[in-house]
Amino acid sequence: AQSVAQPEDQVNVAEGNPLTVKCTYSVSGNPYLFWYVQYPNRGLQFLLKYITGDNLVKGSYGFEAEFNKSQTSFHLKKPSALVSDSALYFCAVRDMRGDKIIFGKGTRLHILP
Amino acid sequence: EAGVVQSPRYKIIEKKQPVAFWCNPISGHNTLYWYRQNLGQGPELLIRYENEEAVDDSQLPKDRFSAERLKGVDSTLKIQPAELGDSAVYLCASSPPRGEAFFGQGTRLTVV
Repeated sequence: AQSVAQPEDQVNVAEGNPLTVKCTYSVSGNPYLFWYVQYPNRGLQFLLKYITGDNLVKGSYGFEAEFNKSQTSFHLKKPSALVSDSALYFCAVRDMRGDKIIFGKGTRLHILP
Repeated sequence: EAGVVQSPRYKIIEKKQPVAFWCNPISGHNTLYWYRQNLGQGPELLIRYENEEAVDDSQLPKDRFSAERLKGVDSTLKIQPAELGDSAVYLCASSPPRGEAFFGQGTRLTVV
């Protein structure tokens, strides 16, 4: 069965510093991987995805993520954090066979001014 | 292009009462999902539709929850009767084949 793990409940980063939010996954076959962001009282907003090709994918708001097949990881990164990046971030995986999208439990990102 | 539309945004009901949520997906998206999100948690899949067919409802508590997607477009999720533990945000999403899911704003249900 497919699964997603986000090992950190919360990540604190000073504004201007680089940030990383970790995600590992388990799925049969090749995965489709996604990152979403959720602001208070809002639905989930799509940030970026990996399907195939270059292991480093770029997305919205300056975010990027690196796919590592050997480590089954898809960590979210940003070179320079903004206070406005503070939100809840979810990693998700889609099993190509089952076509179901499964989400991690989320990581709360706090950017400190 | 309009996004996924859900209504109502908020609903407060007493336990044992029925409640229904409505979702209008993005035009042309054949796949529709209903998720439940508890506070501080990730979304949990309740049911997935491909057109009008429910292809994955293994996580739907069928004793009290039901869903339909008539004509493969709009969808309704119903709870009858509601229990205190059903308080959560109910999210609807749609996607094109093999693509990412696009989410609505959600319905926050409070059962008192």
